Amino acid sequence: AQSVTQPDIHITVSEGASLELRCNYSYGATPYLFWYVQSPGQGLQLLLKYFSGDTLVQGIKGFEAEFKRSQSSFNLRKPSVHWSDAAEYFCAVATPGGSYIPTFGRGTSLIVHP
Amino acid sequence: DSGVTQTPKHLITATGQRVTLRCSPRSGDLSVYWYQQSLDQGLQFLIHYYNGEERAKGNILERFSAQQFPDLHSELNLSSLELGDSALYFCASTASGGLSTDTQYFGPGTRLTVL
Repeated sequence: AQSVTQPDIHITVSEGASLELRCNYSYGATPYLFWYVQSPGQGLQLLLKYFSGDTLVQGIKGFEAEFKRSQSSFNLRKPSVHWSDAAEYFCAVATPGGSYIPTFGRGTSLIVHP
Repeated sequence: DSGVTQTPKHLITATGQRVTLRCSPRSGDLSVYWYQQSLDQGLQFLIHYYNGEERAKGNILERFSAQQFPDLHSELNLSSLELGDSALYFCASTASGGLSTDTQYFGPGTRLTVL
């Protein structure tokens, strides 16, 4: 069964600084990978997804993520964080040809200081 | 706005009671997924319905049940409520019956508080 780990429960950055949120997965082959964002009082919204091909994926709101097979990682990055990016971020994994129900990580809470 | 609606937004009830949460998927979506989000367990998949039929079950308690109606809205019924059932309950919808490549569109959630 697939699993996903987000090692950081909280991340604090200053506005304008760069951001990297970590995600590691466990699966025997290349999974399908997703990043979702949950703003306070809201449901989850898809930021980006990776199925195959170019390992650098561009998403909405200026986010990108890079799939690294050798490290079983799919880290989310943003070059310059805005105060409105403060939210909970979830990495999720689904398996090609297997369970289509995504498994979500526990989430990373992003705090942005002015 | 994802197009997925959930009612009510908040629900406060007592232990032992029964509640019903409602979800309307995006227009044209045939699948509804239910999730429970708590501090202890994170986001846990409960159940998936596609076009009125149950497709997959996750960590759903026997006290919980769901159904999807002909107009594709779905209801999640929680009975004999316990304090530990307090959580955010989300539904999500997709167009297909279940593909690993599906993007799930989430509703704003129902916050259930059991006192």
